[in-house]
Amino acid sequence: AQSVTQLDSQVPVFEEAPVELRCNYSSSVSVYLFWYVQYPNQGLQLLLKYLSGSTLVESINGFEAEFNKSQTSFHLRKPSVHISDTAEYFCAVRPSGGYQKVTFGTGTKLQVIP
Amino acid sequence: DAGVIQSPRHEVTEMGQEVTLRCKPISGHDYLFWYRQTMMRGLELLIYFNNNVPIDDSGMPEDRFSAKMPNASFSTLKIQPSEPRDSAVYFCASSPSFRTTDTQYFGPGTRLTVL
Repeated sequence: AQSVTQLDSQVPVFEEAPVELRCNYSSSVSVYLFWYVQYPNQGLQLLLKYLSGSTLVESINGFEAEFNKSQTSFHLRKPSVHISDTAEYFCAVRPSGGYQKVTFGTGTKLQVIP
Repeated sequence: DAGVIQSPRHEVTEMGQEVTLRCKPISGHDYLFWYRQTMMRGLELLIYFNNNVPIDDSGMPEDRFSAKMPNASFSTLKIQPSEPRDSAVYFCASSPSFRTTDTQYFGPGTRLTVL
């Protein structure tokens, strides 16, 4: 079985400041890792994913996440946030082989302050 | 493509009533998922289907909950009888195939309030 821990339930940050949202996972098998974003009153959308290869993955809107196998982490970062980044962010894992079942973290609410 | 469609978007009902939530997945997607999101428990997988067949319903909380997928373009999640603790946002998601690289596409959710 897999589990995901997002220790920070809320992260306030000023506009144009950097941000890091933390994610740690636990699994007995190899996994794929994902970050999803949920804007107010909307469903979740895939932000970025790590499947294999380079441990640093990027999204089209400036976010990046780095897979660290030794620390079992997949932290999400952005060097300069915008008001429009205000949303809830979910880290997720699924086995790299087998079923589609995804395990989500409890989410981190990013609040960008003008 | 219109994306995953859910109806209704909001539902308010009284305890003991039957509630039916509906979902239309993206055309051509073989997998369909039902999730529940609450402040206390976060996002929980309730059940998922592959080619209209339920594969894993271990997340369904109790017998009051049931889900069906009569065809590839429609699924329902039914709660009978409903209770206040069922209040949550219910999401439907679909995914193209068994390939492990495929991601899930979420609908906008149904916000259920049971009084």
